[in-house]
Amino acid sequence: EVQLVESGGALVQPGGSLRLSCAVAGFKFDDYSLHWVRQAPGKGLEWVSLITWNGGNTYYADSVEGRFTISRDNSKNYLYLQMNSLRIEDTALYFCAKDCCETSMVNNYLDVWGKGTTVTVSS
Amino acid sequence: EVVLTQSPATLSLSPGERATLSCRASQSVSSYLAWYQQKPGQAPRLLIYDASNRATGIPARFSGSGSGTEFTLTISSLEPEDFAVYYCQQGSNWPPVTFGQGTRLEIK
Repeated sequence: EVQLVESGGALVQPGGSLRLSCAVAGFKFDDYSLHWVRQAPGKGLEWVSLITWNGGNTYYADSVEGRFTISRDNSKNYLYLQMNSLRIEDTALYFCAKDCCETSMVNNYLDVWGKGTTVTVSS
Repeated sequence: EVVLTQSPATLSLSPGERATLSCRASQSVSSYLAWYQQKPGQAPRLLIYDASNRATGIPARFSGSGSGTEFTLTISSLEPEDFAVYYCQQGSNWPPVTFGQGTRLEIK
């Protein structure tokens, strides 16, 4: 069964840091690009970041560029999101998601999602 | 950045009725558009990709159409489990990947 499980969400003060993890199982991990998407309470979906299948390229939303870093460990089947200089507006449920369809490329469709991990930024 | 505008914001229909949801892009995305369904407390589920291709396991009552800047998701005959929030998403002109603001499909 294809499965993505996020962890690492917590309550953190503004300016603080957090690292999210996403454990992946059920497909050949290093064949697919991976995304982080977030959803603020009661709001819509916001794409955060993407890392290509081999980790060679990363992309970010302007709202997190320079503060967040996406990475992956293809030997452990893990995806990460290092979040620094956190702001109140980063409060959200963070999902990791698998890029769809074709291997070893970016398709930008998200066909398998985790259940999410909650990040709350508050003093 | 490509802005996706979904309409209506809320759609009130009864089971068995036909639902038509719209998504308009601020610039052409060719056919690089997807639709997702999200129920309360759940992650989104991919329904349609490349504007008209159903994802694995998606019932045939869901169909997508359109290209360029105008797209439509149609649910031919609503089942009780179809009442949810629906998002469109483009992956053509990126980064960033962008989502629409969502359409809430509620029971009338």
